[in-house]
Amino acid sequence: KNEVEQSPQNLTAQEGEFITINCSYSVGISALHWLQQHPGGGIVSLFMLSSGKKKHGRLIATINIQEKHSSLHITASHPRDSAVYICPLNSGGSNYKLTFGKGTLLTVNP
Amino acid sequence: EADIYQTPRYLVIGTGKKITLECSQTMGHDKMYWYQQDPGMELHLIHYSYGVNSTEKGDLSSESTVSRIRTEHFPLTLESARPSHTSQYLCASSETGGGHWSQYFGPGTRLLVL
Repeated sequence: KNEVEQSPQNLTAQEGEFITINCSYSVGISALHWLQQHPGGGIVSLFMLSSGKKKHGRLIATINIQEKHSSLHITASHPRDSAVYICPLNSGGSNYKLTFGKGTLLTVNP
Repeated sequence: EADIYQTPRYLVIGTGKKITLECSQTMGHDKMYWYQQDPGMELHLIHYSYGVNSTEKGDLSSESTVSRIRTEHFPLTLESARPSHTSQYLCASSETGGGHWSQYFGPGTRLLVL
């Protein structure tokens, strides 16, 4: 079983929809990250969480340490949000090594 | 904005050739990383460095080698490229010190070995 599971694996939405991407993990963590990878391959770091909730523009990330679950929400989605969203973990006491899942491919249609 | 650069962005090369993928960052970060990513798959850490003259192998075994002679520069070398090395290679860096830090990623190098 992978340490990091994301759902859904693929998500198609219409522009303007509210989107939720989920991340579940099975190990103890010290931090969880949300990354955005565009089709060209470039990766942008969106959030780093160890508890609670963070907001940046139309993006909101939450984490529940007890339930080993995090969500990324996108409000008023736009075609430029189309990308792969990844939630790597800092686990095993490491504050630098990340454990990655396969990510969620989001497509937002105009 | 993150300042981390990778060259070349795309490389097509024949089997047996020696290649070096370049990675440079201008943020003064001590920690640097190399990841390998096959299409549609997750990233795997293949090398990391705590600082100058410090390099470690990552979780995924790789035939590549790295060096860290200067803080800003973390090149990856394949002595004899093979088709199995075809992949995307992503370089990243992060700040040092206690706590957790976001990693800044370069644009990646897509390598095709024929």
